[in-house]
Amino acid sequence: EAGVTQFPSHSVIEKGQTVTLRCDPISGHDNLYWYRRVMGKEIKFLLHFVKESKQDESGMPNNRFLAERTGGTYSTLKVQPAELEDSGVYFCASSHLQSNEKLFFGSGTQLSVL
Amino acid sequence: GQQLNQSPQSMFIQEGEDVSMNCTSSSIFNTWLWYKQDPGEGPVLLIALYKAGELTSNGRLTAQFGITRKDSFLNISASIPSDVGIYFCARAGITSYGKLTFGQGTILTVHP
Repeated sequence: EAGVTQFPSHSVIEKGQTVTLRCDPISGHDNLYWYRRVMGKEIKFLLHFVKESKQDESGMPNNRFLAERTGGTYSTLKVQPAELEDSGVYFCASSHLQSNEKLFFGSGTQLSVL
Repeated sequence: GQQLNQSPQSMFIQEGEDVSMNCTSSSIFNTWLWYKQDPGEGPVLLIALYKAGELTSNGRLTAQFGITRKDSFLNISASIPSDVGIYFCARAGITSYGKLTFGQGTILTVHP
């Protein structure tokens, strides 16, 4: 069974540009989460999808961040326009509805905004 | 918001030594989780704890949920080079179990 996959693994962009991160959860996992780790700090929750619905987006930093999960399968996280403080590792995770807390994480996207 | 205090921040040990790290919180939690992140990878769940006082092992790893429900520790016995990585404690959300709050992480380096 394939794990959670994220693309790209690395992205280097200039301030003001747009970047879109993609996450493919484990097949059959209705829960999908986005987390972010800024250098030197803890991993922080961004938002939670159940199927195609946003369940909780309380961790999204501001309206420059837009997450979608059309059809309840893969998800995208778009940052537009990117700022320097957006740099960090963006993790996607998924889980079954029945074992919500047992998250399976992807390898992350390392985003560098210059 | 809720914060977890994880210590130590980093550890440098010799292969074969035992390791201990812990997490504390000012609030009571119902679930403690321990994750490990290998370089270039995402966190992987090692152990999940659901009851106060619970002691759970996974190979050379042992974790306990504190009696007060405000702390947890993770022990690694007879460390090996592949134990290198970042270890995170986390607590599950109260209403949304997958909304995890993480500790700052413990960076473990094992010298052969």
